Amino acid sequence: QQQVKQSPQSLIVQKGGISIINCAYENTAFDYFPWYQQFPGKGPALLIAIRPDVSEKKEGRFTISFNKSAKQFSLHIMDSQPGDSATYFCAASKKGYSTLTFGKGTMLLVSP
Amino acid sequence: DAGITQSPRHKVTETGTPVTLRCHQTENHRYMYWYRQDPGHGLRLIHYSYGVKDTDKGEVSDGYSVSRSKTEDFLLTLESATSSQTSVYFCAISAPRLAGELSSYNEQFFGPGTRLTVL
Repeated sequence: QQQVKQSPQSLIVQKGGISIINCAYENTAFDYFPWYQQFPGKGPALLIAIRPDVSEKKEGRFTISFNKSAKQFSLHIMDSQPGDSATYFCAASKKGYSTLTFGKGTMLLVSP
Repeated sequence: DAGITQSPRHKVTETGTPVTLRCHQTENHRYMYWYRQDPGHGLRLIHYSYGVKDTDKGEVSDGYSVSRSKTEDFLLTLESATSSQTSVYFCAISAPRLAGELSSYNEQFFGPGTRLTVL
């Protein structure tokens, strides 16, 4: 059972465009939703995270939008740059638990 | 990088041989994790530890065992490696955030990974 479904698998965006990656979950006990960024040959690194008591969180060019009723959340990368080319993972965890459940990842390529 | 190192970084072994991967951290964090990463599957939790000698299974624990005899080291053992265990293995630690809106939740920091090939 895949608890966090991520789409699309891959994405090509032109420089300056908006990259959008979506995730959906089923377990209503999830209450922490981070996004991780991974460059080739490196470990994933936390990019931005949100709790369900807010509908949006913005950090620079990166924004998480959260829809609790639909059980969906998404990552928006504004003004996408070639340096943003990486694999992005959404994840979720339950309150009081330290483990994360990850989506399968989205490979983003920003063309110059 | 949260002071996480993994060894070896690359290993090629043969089916049926035992393999041990080591994760070492320098910052005395309580929680440690082992994940495997495979194309099309993302990151899947193998085992995790919440203290010395305290471990629990993750989503894909079959064929793997772990040990944690010291806070700083978390070992992952493949008792008899199989080709299906060819993967990139990541160790992670969980560090509580000291302040801010997410202070109740732990951020996971990942090591550089070990690429394991089982022939």
